[in-house]
Amino acid sequence: DTGVSQNPRHKITKRGQNVTFRCDPISEHNRLYWYRQTLGQGPEFLTYFQNEAQLEKSRLLSDRFSAERPKGSFSTLEIQRTEQGDSAMYLCASSLEGTVDEQYFGPGTRLTVT
Amino acid sequence: GDSVTQMEGPVTLSEEAFLTINCTYTATGYPSLFWYVQYPGEGLQLLLKATKADDKGSNKGFEATYRKETTSFHLEKGSVQVSDSAVYFCALSGPNTGNQFYFGTGTSLTVIP
Repeated sequence: DTGVSQNPRHKITKRGQNVTFRCDPISEHNRLYWYRQTLGQGPEFLTYFQNEAQLEKSRLLSDRFSAERPKGSFSTLEIQRTEQGDSAMYLCASSLEGTVDEQYFGPGTRLTVT
Repeated sequence: GDSVTQMEGPVTLSEEAFLTINCTYTATGYPSLFWYVQYPGEGLQLLLKATKADDKGSNKGFEATYRKETTSFHLEKGSVQVSDSAVYFCALSGPNTGNQFYFGTGTSLTVIP
């Protein structure tokens, strides 16, 4: 198992464009999380899936953000009409239900909105 | 609400020095506590955890004890190495946080030879 993977690793886009990120969790993990990390801060929770169901969403997740996990495996995070304030590292993590909240993180996708 | 407060960095130490990074938390109920490490250019990695009061988590020479009376989970290492240079994050997750982690702001550690 190679761990949690995220693509792309870096994305530069112009303000107003849409972007989509992908996360592939550890294969047997049924829980998947998205976080956002800005420079000098810790990760902030965005949303959480158990299998294909999106069970929690942070107030940080504006209506321009949408996440899916259609088959309970990989997940996508889309940001529509990007703004400069969306520039951040977007982290994905996965865990196995019942493992005392032990989350495994991917390397992240760094988004720069110009 | 639930939160974690970490000592601010950056921290610079000489090799073989003693390390302490302070972490205190605010939570209702009994959270699990974690230290994650982020090496340059890499993702967050779980360093150690403790799930109940007085538990001691340990890994790679690092230790942290869950102190309920002082709501603390300070990270310590007796002798740091250059390879320990990284950013360290304290985090909590508990029955009142849903399934999300609350992270501190991170403490950058640089160890010089």
